Amino acid sequence: KAGVTQTPRYLIKTRGQQVTLSCSPISGHRSVSWYQQTPGQGLQFLFEYFSETQRNKGNFPGRFSGRQFSNSRSEMNVSTLELGDSALYLCASRTAGGVDYGYTFGSGTRLTVV
Amino acid sequence: SQQGEEDPQALSIQEGENATMNCSYKTSINNLQWYRQNSGRGLVHLILIRSNEREKHSGRLRVTLDTSKKSSSLLITASRAADTASYFCATVTSGSARQLTFGSGTQLTVLP
Repeated sequence: KAGVTQTPRYLIKTRGQQVTLSCSPISGHRSVSWYQQTPGQGLQFLFEYFSETQRNKGNFPGRFSGRQFSNSRSEMNVSTLELGDSALYLCASRTAGGVDYGYTFGSGTRLTVV
Repeated sequence: SQQGEEDPQALSIQEGENATMNCSYKTSINNLQWYRQNSGRGLVHLILIRSNEREKHSGRLRVTLDTSKKSSSLLITASRAADTASYFCATVTSGSARQLTFGSGTQLTVLP
């Protein structure tokens, strides 16, 4: 079955602009999480959605937001971009149920803010 | 914030040798997972060990977990050039809503 699909793969934006990233989870996976990866801070949790509801949110400013649609596809939005938002943004999906399941990650969206 | 540290930060070995990476974490956990990442691409799930397990095997991978020391190790036996990647441990904290908290990662280079 198809893996987790993230679009676009690469993105260049200017400071102050906003950006929307998309993630299509594995079919049947209802949980979608987003992570930011930077050389300085490593991998950090942004938020998790399940059945269109945000279940958990990491320690990021309100400029970072997301949503999930009824087909489990998810989008994350970053408004008023800053240079420090340059990062690899990773989406992961997981089957519903308890915590003892691994996540399947997409290939990521590389965002560069100039 | 990151859960803990991985050791070493970088490891270089010859093909056929074993590679051992260590991970320490700070809080009580439900489980600990190991992921591999090739050259800034997506993460690939390798293995999950539950908090009540001490050792787990999957192919050439062996993971141990010591909850009293809050540490884990990943052993890759008979390494191959294709194992060259960054390896991350990640924990699901007890009582949390299922987020992964990652370590800082180990960059493994396997020389042919």
